[in-house]
Amino acid sequence: EPEVTQTPSHQVTQMGQEVILRCVPISNHLYFYWYRQILGQKVEFLVSFYNNEISEKSEIFDDQFSVERPDGSNFTLKIRSTKLEDSAMYFCASSGGRVEKLFFGSGTQLSVL
Amino acid sequence: AQSVTQLDSQVPVFEEAPVELRCNYSSSVSVYLFWYVQYPNQGLQLLLKYLSGSTLVKGINGFEAEFNKSQTSFHLRKPSVHISDTAEYYCAVTTSGTYKYIFGTGTRLKVLA
Repeated sequence: EPEVTQTPSHQVTQMGQEVILRCVPISNHLYFYWYRQILGQKVEFLVSFYNNEISEKSEIFDDQFSVERPDGSNFTLKIRSTKLEDSAMYFCASSGGRVEKLFFGSGTQLSVL
Repeated sequence: AQSVTQLDSQVPVFEEAPVELRCNYSSSVSVYLFWYVQYPNQGLQLLLKYLSGSTLVKGINGFEAEFNKSQTSFHLRKPSVHISDTAEYYCAVTTSGTYKYIFGTGTRLKVLA
């Protein structure tokens, strides 16, 4: 089965630093998502991306966050100035249609010190 | 806005016993419902989905779920569990008017020998 690939698997950063989390969605998919999961808590929606623009975002996704699909294959999540509370597992997902199975990557564990 | 409630945070069950994981949703419009499973250190994988049609949906690994509109429920069942079913299970909902999937808080299924 095709896979969504996320790199790195672990990222440690200092508070206030910028981080970029990278994802390679499945090649013919059109819809892209970022979710996060703080340890022991539920999977939270951050943002969805379709047709080269943000289609929906949550209240968590403030001005410190941005997404990009720079080259037609990668899908990145940037956090400009990380806070301690940004520490979480970040999952990328993609789907081929609007109401379709989401394919999730294995996640990037972000630790902000 | 839609929401999902998973009533049980943990469900212990003996191997080969049946199990039911409960999910209730809230929405003012028609919904699409999903169950995902998360094994340790992995991303989420789709077990099954309800989009329309038959209210009894069969998924992978012997799981099934029944959509009950009057009770706003989408409970997940398996007639006989295996040790390998030990994982976190998430119910999720989306609608045609949104690009996001809302996940419940998860139910940890622990299968005991």
